[in-house]
Amino acid sequence: GENVEQHPSTLSVQEGDSAVIKCTYSDSASNYFPWYKQELGKRPQLIIDIRSNVGEKKDQRIAVTLNKTAKHFSLHITETQPEDSAVYFCAASIRTNAGKSTFGDGTTLTVKP
Amino acid sequence: NAGVTQTPKFQVLKTGQSMTLQCAQDMNHNSMYWYRQDPGMGLRLIYYSASEGTTDKGEVPNGYNVSRLNKREFSLRLESAAPSQTSVYFCASSENRLNTGELFFGEGSRLTVL
Repeated sequence: GENVEQHPSTLSVQEGDSAVIKCTYSDSASNYFPWYKQELGKRPQLIIDIRSNVGEKKDQRIAVTLNKTAKHFSLHITETQPEDSAVYFCAASIRTNAGKSTFGDGTTLTVKP
Repeated sequence: NAGVTQTPKFQVLKTGQSMTLQCAQDMNHNSMYWYRQDPGMGLRLIYYSASEGTTDKGEVPNGYNVSRLNKREFSLRLESAAPSQTSVYFCASSENRLNTGELFFGEGSRLTVL
């Protein structure tokens, strides 16, 4: 089955700096790569996703890049703000059955004011 | 529009007791899922239902059973709870036919087994 590794497990940055979280996956059949943000005590919520026919996608201060050859994808957050502090999860799946996603173990991002 | 609603939010059980977690979605999604979340381990799929009338095992199904009661409701049952089942449980739903695979999660149910 699919195996997703996520690094780092914790990340601390100063407000205004950039943050990068990286994930690798093992199953070349995976074609859908979402990122979820989970604030303390809350439910995970999708913040951005990318499909395998796209190399990069941006949404304001967040971007995701995908390298299918190397089987890795990354989340980039620019101009970080304290409200970006949360746990971020990457996942990989086949899009038509996205609920069978394999999740990474999560990255706890702390943005210091 | 409540999205995904799950009950109860908190539950304490003794080893060997049984309980059912209830989940309902009002987004007319075909697929529903149960995940568990343990510290430092991300989300692991327990069972899923791709469509009404079907259920399949996920990554960690042992000790659990599920019922897809209708298109809206998907319940998770622990027949004989064990301390290893102490976790936060999330129900989720998705519409896999659209051009997205977004999962919509419930608020979670925190279960402690003593």
